Amino acid sequence: SYILTQPPSVSVAPGETARITCGGPNIGSKSVHWNQQKPGQAPVLVIYYDSDRPSGIPERFSGSNSGNTATLTITRVEAGDEADYFCQLWDSNSDDYVFGSGTKLTVL
Amino acid sequence: EVQLVESGGGLVQPGGSLRLSCAASGFTLSRYWMHWVRQVPGKGLVWVSRINTDGRSTNYADSVKGRFTFSRDNDKNTLYLQMNSLRAEDTAIYYCARDPGGGNWNSPFDYWGQGTLVTVSS
Repeated sequence: SYILTQPPSVSVAPGETARITCGGPNIGSKSVHWNQQKPGQAPVLVIYYDSDRPSGIPERFSGSNSGNTATLTITRVEAGDEADYFCQLWDSNSDDYVFGSGTKLTVL
Repeated sequence: EVQLVESGGGLVQPGGSLRLSCAASGFTLSRYWMHWVRQVPGKGLVWVSRINTDGRSTNYADSVKGRFTFSRDNDKNTLYLQMNSLRAEDTAIYYCARDPGGGNWNSPFDYWGQGTLVTVSS
């Protein structure tokens, strides 16, 4: 089945830019979604279809997807952005919904 | 406000059964495909099952196929996950999630419930 690879952790200082990657073979040809999960809480959709942002999600959150890597970018990082971030897509070959292993964003 | 509230989790012995419920409010359930996703505490998310709007079409992850049954009652705004022949590896938090795609497999999960914990142990 399709494997999504994420770095286990990313650390940034407040006000800096965080970039969280999600790798997979030819992922640029697929639609990637990103979910944020804070401890003890349900996941929240923050980016869908590579780069669209749900209502209520700050403009600081953006996404891109090309080649073998999709990227979630968070500008002007705040303490409240500290969470786990999971990328997700549907793999047509296996008819399976696939999640990345998650990246823990730490705000220093 | 869209709300999804799961219930029915608990401790069950290996080989036992459990039925989870997911109560939906704040939207018209009958218009949406829905999913169950599970997560071992501290680990990643794993898709379990999906159901179409009228409940006549369901799909399952290989790990639960033949043991779990996803159903829905749109009149009661409730989803159900019947879990049989439970194994230790089924231990996880189970979330129901809404799919806004109208049958588009590529769509995201736009709302999630808070989850219910299932523990399979003797």
